[in-house]
Amino acid sequence: QVQLVQSGAEVKKPGASVKVSCKASGYTFTSYDINWVRQATGQGLEWMGWMNPNSGNTGYAQKFQGRVTMTRNTSISTAYMELSSLRSEDTAVYYCARVGGPTLDYWGQGTLVTVSS
Amino acid sequence: EIVMTQSPATLSVSPGERATLSCRASQSVSSNLAWYQQKPGQAPRLLIYGASTRATGIPARFSGSGSGTEFTLTISSLQSEDFAVYYCQQYNNWLTWTFGQGTKVEIK
Repeated sequence: QVQLVQSGAEVKKPGASVKVSCKASGYTFTSYDINWVRQATGQGLEWMGWMNPNSGNTGYAQKFQGRVTMTRNTSISTAYMELSSLRSEDTAVYYCARVGGPTLDYWGQGTLVTVSS
Repeated sequence: EIVMTQSPATLSVSPGERATLSCRASQSVSSNLAWYQQKPGQAPRLLIYGASTRATGIPARFSGSGSGTEFTLTISSLQSEDFAVYYCQQYNNWLTWTFGQGTKVEIK
């Protein structure tokens, strides 16, 4: 069955970077785009960007341009999302999600990133 | 950026009753609209895509309608497991996908 398993919770200081991983199984990793979505505590969902695991091509929401980098390692079917220059407002649960059909059909379990001094 | 506005923010419904949730787009998204369900501590779950197509394994009591700027999610007879937060999402504009702020369906 399709699974996306994310790395564990992180605590970072303001100004630092965080890199979250998303390991895919149960399907051909390079055949489906991966998106990243975040959710601050008690808030709604915010789309961050997209990556094609086959080509490595990416596209980022304007809000995160210059601070986010999405990469992958096809040999281990894993996608990564790195966010730099962290601030307290970046405290959130970060989700990876597969694009199946036209939109996000399978989601990872989420990774809590806490930014605190 | 296309702004998605959901109403109401909270909907109080008794089990077995019908629930109707609305989502409005600030400009046309054609039928490129999805609905997700999220329960506390869980990732969102895809319910509907293409405005009206149920995702795999989604019960028939969930139905979606609309096109352009006005969309509706209807739950025909609420079950206990349906009390959750529901989000609409447009995927019409590539690289600018956006979500609504959510509607919480709670037990009346």
